[in-house]
Amino acid sequence: GEDVEQSLFLSVREGDSSVINCTYTDSSSTYLYWYKQEPGAGLQLLTYIFSNMDMKQDQRLTVLLNKKDKHLSLRIADTQTGDSAIYFCAASLRHSTLTFGKGTMLLVSP
Amino acid sequence: DGGITQSPKYLFRKEGQNVTLSCEQNLNHDAMYWYRQDPGQGLRLIYYSQIVNDFQKGDIAEGYSVSREKKESFPLTVTSAQKNPTAFYLCASRDSLSNQPQHFGDGTRLSIL
Repeated sequence: GEDVEQSLFLSVREGDSSVINCTYTDSSSTYLYWYKQEPGAGLQLLTYIFSNMDMKQDQRLTVLLNKKDKHLSLRIADTQTGDSAIYFCAASLRHSTLTFGKGTMLLVSP
Repeated sequence: DGGITQSPKYLFRKEGQNVTLSCEQNLNHDAMYWYRQDPGQGLRLIYYSQIVNDFQKGDIAEGYSVSREKKESFPLTVTSAQKNPTAFYLCASRDSLSNQPQHFGDGTRLSIL
């Protein structure tokens, strides 16, 4: 089955860019997602990319997909303290069942 | 407002008791999902349902049961057979007919007394 891996922790200063990386194993995954989780809350869908795309940009967020290496990244420009949260990478076939990574905790310091 | 409502936010269970977690959505989504989250872990799929009166086991269904009698409701029962039920439980739903991604509720934290 699918396996999704991501680094566990990232610390940046306010105003810097953050890059969170993720790898997956199943090349047949058609959708790749980034979700954000704040303490004690559910998951908020940030963005997703279809596997035939290389890049997707949405305001401060840029998603890059290297399908050959099965590598996904999320870049947050001008990172703010409110961006501190856990970020989950996930993969699926046709938006159906999702396979999640263990999450990357992003800590933004002033 | 449209959304996914999970209740209660916190739930305590004595050992040997069954407990039911509620998930309701007014988004007219056909598919609904239950996930379990443990500290430092990703989400693991317990059960999902793509249509009323039908559901499928996920990766960790043992010790759990569900029903889908109404489109808007997908309750999860944690039975006494689940030996380690303390976790954060998340419900999600999606509109599969228009091929949309999953959206999540705010979760229920279950603890054993």
